[in-house]
Amino acid sequence: KQEVTQIPAALSVPEGENLVLNCSFTDSAIYNLQWFRQDPGKGLTSLLLIQSSQREQTSGRLNASLDKSSGRSTLYIAASQPGDSATYLCAVGAGYSTLTFGKGTMLLVSP
Amino acid sequence: NAGVTQTPKFQVLKTGQSMTLQCAQDMNHNSMYWYRQDPGMGLRLIYYSASEGTTDKGEVPNGYNVSRLNKREFSLRLESAAPSQTSVYFCASTPPGSSYEQYFGPGTRLTVT
Repeated sequence: KQEVTQIPAALSVPEGENLVLNCSFTDSAIYNLQWFRQDPGKGLTSLLLIQSSQREQTSGRLNASLDKSSGRSTLYIAASQPGDSATYLCAVGAGYSTLTFGKGTMLLVSP
Repeated sequence: NAGVTQTPKFQVLKTGQSMTLQCAQDMNHNSMYWYRQDPGMGLRLIYYSASEGTTDKGEVPNGYNVSRLNKREFSLRLESAAPSQTSVYFCASTPPGSSYEQYFGPGTRLTVT
């Protein structure tokens, strides 16, 4: 059974810092990996999707990498802003059938 | 496009009552999913529908039934609600093609007393 772990569970940084969120998974036979953002009381917003054949994806200040063989992904946020404060979820996909989620990293960026 | 919509946004039920959570998407997506999110547990898949006319169990299907009414709509029914079903329920869908990127609705917050 696939298990997804996110470290750290919570992170507090001052505005302007670059930061890295970590995600690890136990079964490397994945189809894709998706990073989401969730604001309190809201739904999930997809940030980046990495297919299993890709090594990284970038969107603005966000960069996600994937190392399938070691079962790891990182989400890099450059020049963090208070508006980045949210919970970030990593989810590993096995095709159409399912996403397995980590429990998330709660990020607080203070002004 | 409204994307993925869910109704209701909030609901309070008494133990033993039944209800149906509605989900619809207007993006011509093929696959649809129901998840529940609980503190400390993360999101867990309840049921999914790979295409119109098919449904399959996920990780936590007990106590739930689903109906894929048509390509747009995928409903989740609680026949006899229990306090353990207090949770936030999310519906998601994926477009045709091979990316399988999932798009989520805003959620339904359900409390069973």
